[in-house]
Amino acid sequence: KQEVTQIPAALSVPEGENLVLNCSFTDSAIYNLQWFRQDPGKGLTSLLLIQSSQREQTSGRLNASLDKSSGRSTLYIAASQPGDSATYLCAVPASNDYKLSFGAGTTVTVRA
Amino acid sequence: DTGVSQDPRHKITKRGQNVTFRCDPISEHNRLYWYRQTLGQGPEFLTYFQNEAQLEKSRLLSDRFSAERPKGSFSTLEIQRTEQGDSAMYLCASSPETGELGYGYTFGSGTRLTVV
Repeated sequence: KQEVTQIPAALSVPEGENLVLNCSFTDSAIYNLQWFRQDPGKGLTSLLLIQSSQREQTSGRLNASLDKSSGRSTLYIAASQPGDSATYLCAVPASNDYKLSFGAGTTVTVRA
Repeated sequence: DTGVSQDPRHKITKRGQNVTFRCDPISEHNRLYWYRQTLGQGPEFLTYFQNEAQLEKSRLLSDRFSAERPKGSFSTLEIQRTEQGDSAMYLCASSPETGELGYGYTFGSGTRLTVV
């Protein structure tokens, strides 16, 4: 069974600082890994999708890396802004499976 | 198509009442999923449809829960005889066929259920 862990559980930084969010998973046979953002009381917004054959994916200030062999992904957010305050979740489907396994998330607070 | 739609956004119900949620997936997506999320946790898988066929149900889905997807379009999730432990955010997602590459999921805004 795929287990996903996200560290740290919470993070508070001043505006402008770079953010580093970590995700680890136990089964390296994955199709892809997806990072989501969730605002309080809201649904999930997809940020980045990294295919298993890729090492990283970038979108604006966001960059996600994937090391499948070691079961790790890192989400980098450059020059953080108060609007980046949210919970960030990573999710992976195991190979030949369609169900996503989620971490518990990292709650980020960016102080103005 | 504006994405995955869920209705209602919020539902407050008394214990013992039945509730029904609706999900409209992205029209081109033939796969539809229901997840449940409690406070401080990541979403947990409940059930999955490919077109109109319900292919898997989690053990989290007790016999008080039923889901349908008639004609492979929208889906409904019904909870009978609600209990306070059913209070959670219910999330719907859809995706195209995963194939070898694996396509991402698109989630809706969720339905927050509060059982009082």
